[in-house]
Amino acid sequence: GENVEQHPSTLSVQEGDSAVIKCTYSDSASNYFPWYKQELGKRPQLIIDIRSNVGEKKDQRIAVTLNKTAKHFSLHITETQPEDSAVYFCAARQNSGYSTLTFGKGTMLLVSP
Amino acid sequence: GAVVSQHPSRVICKSGTSVKIECRSLDFQATTMFWYRQFPKKSLMLMATSNEGSKATYEQGVEKDKFLINHASLTLSTLTVTSAHPEDSSFYICSARDHTYEQYFGPGTRLTVT
Repeated sequence: GENVEQHPSTLSVQEGDSAVIKCTYSDSASNYFPWYKQELGKRPQLIIDIRSNVGEKKDQRIAVTLNKTAKHFSLHITETQPEDSAVYFCAARQNSGYSTLTFGKGTMLLVSP
Repeated sequence: GAVVSQHPSRVICKSGTSVKIECRSLDFQATTMFWYRQFPKKSLMLMATSNEGSKATYEQGVEKDKFLINHASLTLSTLTVTSAHPEDSSFYICSARDHTYEQYFGPGTRLTVT
C-alpha cells in the first residue's frame, strides 16, 4: 500500500516569511495529491491539490510542486500570516473509485507576529 | 460547495454504553464515505470505508464488531461505537466523496468515555 512521509513535524516562522512542507510517497500509481489545513478541533479543509499531469499549481500565497520521478511533493506558503497557523496534512491517492487517501503525519505550522 | 455534517459534535458517555455518530452529505450524493479517528496532535487514521448499500471495509486492526458502520443511503452513514471504553475516547471524523472523487470532511465528533 501507499506510504506518505511528511516533514517537518513542526515549523515555526516569523510573519511574512515563507514556509515549505515536504512529502514523499511510495506508490508510483498515486496521481492525486491534496493538502489539508486543520485548525485545532476543526475539520481538515482542502487548501490545494495537484494531479500528476502538472508539476506546479498556485493559488495566491499557496503553491504546490510535484516531482513524480522522485515521488515527492511540497507545499509552499509565502508571506505567512498568523492565521496560517494550523496543522497541515499532505495526502496521496490513486484517482479511482476504489482508492483511499493516505495521509502524512502532519506539520504544525506556527506563525509568530 | 459540498457540505458534510456530523452529529453530535461532542458526546460524553459511560463505559459500557453505545454511541451512534451520524455523517451526512448535505448537498451531494456520496456513494463512498470514510470514517477516521484522530488522536491529539496525530494524523487521521482511516478506520473504514463505507459504500452505500454494502458492507463497510475495515482497515487492519479495527474491530468491525466494535465499530459498526451503516451506509443506508447516498447521504447518510452512521458509526456506532459499541460497549465503549475510555480508550475509545477520541476525535472521530467522517468524510464523503463525490463523483469527482474529491473528499469533504465533516466537522468531527469528540467522544469522551468516562
